[in-house]
Amino acid sequence: KNEVEQSPQNLTAQEGEFITINCSYSVGISALHWLQQHPGGGIVSLFMLSSGKKKHGRLIATINIQEKHSSLHITASHPRDSAVYICAVRGYDSNYQLIWGAGTKLIIKP
Amino acid sequence: NAGVTQTPKFQVLKTGQSMTLQCAQDMNHEYMSWYRQDPGMGLRLIHYSVGAGITDQGEVPNGYNVSRSTTEDFPLRLLSAAPSQTSVYFCASSYSGTVSLLGYTFGSGTRLTVV
Repeated sequence: KNEVEQSPQNLTAQEGEFITINCSYSVGISALHWLQQHPGGGIVSLFMLSSGKKKHGRLIATINIQEKHSSLHITASHPRDSAVYICAVRGYDSNYQLIWGAGTKLIIKP
Repeated sequence: NAGVTQTPKFQVLKTGQSMTLQCAQDMNHEYMSWYRQDPGMGLRLIHYSVGAGITDQGEVPNGYNVSRSTTEDFPLRLLSAAPSQTSVYFCASSYSGTVSLLGYTFGSGTRLTVV
């Protein structure tokens, strides 16, 4: 079993829909990250969370440390949001090493 | 302002061939790293460097060598390519000590196929 599990693996939705992508992990962590990988391959960091909730534009990320679970929400989704969204965690004992989820491929249709 | 530049973008190798994937950054970042990304799996750390002259192994270092003679460059060498090394490779850099991914800059990736 992977230490970081993302669901769903693939998600197709219509423009305007509210999107939720989930990340569950099995290790104790000091931080959780959400990243976006564009169709061209570039990877961009979106959020770093250690508790609570963060919001940036139409993106909202939440984390529940007790339940070892995080969600990434996209409101009023748009075709330009189509990308792979990746969750990564840093364990208590890690230094530079991170544990990565396999990613969720999101397609938003116009 | 180039950021992190990876070359080549695509490469096909025959089993047993060697090659070097290039990574260069112009942001004076101390920390540089190489990841591979395989379908259905998360990124896996191959090697990393916290400064010129200092390198260390990541999660999957076998079959790969790195060196860091300058702050700017961090090449990844495949010694004898194997089909299991077919993957997409990403180079990333950040200021040293910034373990937060918010400080990372990723290259655009190299898609390598070993036949």
